[in-house]
Amino acid sequence: QVQLVQSGAEVKKPGASVKVSCKASGYTFTSYDINWVRQATGQGLEWLGWMDPKNGNTGYARKFQGRVTMTRDTSINTAYMELSSLKSDDTAVYYCARNPAFTGDFEYWGQGALVTVSS
Amino acid sequence: QAVLTQPSSLSASPGASASLTCTLRSGINVGTYMIYWFQQKPGSPPQFLLNYRSDSDKKQGSGVPSRFSGSKDASANAGILLISGLQSEDEADYYCMMWHSSTWEFGGGTKLTVL
Repeated sequence: QVQLVQSGAEVKKPGASVKVSCKASGYTFTSYDINWVRQATGQGLEWLGWMDPKNGNTGYARKFQGRVTMTRDTSINTAYMELSSLKSDDTAVYYCARNPAFTGDFEYWGQGALVTVSS
Repeated sequence: QAVLTQPSSLSASPGASASLTCTLRSGINVGTYMIYWFQQKPGSPPQFLLNYRSDSDKKQGSGVPSRFSGSKDASANAGILLISGLQSEDEADYYCMMWHSSTWEFGGGTKLTVL
């Protein structure tokens, strides 16, 4: 069965960077895009960007350009999202989600990774 | 102004129907866009429900009951998620989403209360 398993919770100081992983199983990793979405406590969903694991192509939300980097390691079927220059309002649960290219059918999601930014 | 606007809350009775709206910003015509709908329950990631562009271009999520359906209201420039035969388990947050200007845009979400 398809699974996306994310890394654990992180606590970071303002100005630091965080790298969240998303390990895929149960399907061909390079056949579907990976998107990253975050959600602050009690708030709505916010899209950060997408990556094509087949070739590493990415697209980032304008708000995060220059601060977010999405990469992958196809040898271990894992996608990564790194967010730099962290601020307190980056505190949120970060989700990865799988979708067929060129669609928004985010049919499988990771369990989420809580990133807390606090001094 | 946000690209997608959803009412923050909606209440409906068990067995009734609920119509959740997702209004596109003025100047963006709902007609050509695929609208996606997600359900999220506390402590869980969102779940894909369905997508809808037209009656001939739509997809139901795997295992999603047919009482969840999508449509559009062109006069209101909105996508609609209709839930019929409401059950207590339908109480959740619902988000719409669309692709606009190279960005996946989410609506702010509607909290549906079934009481």
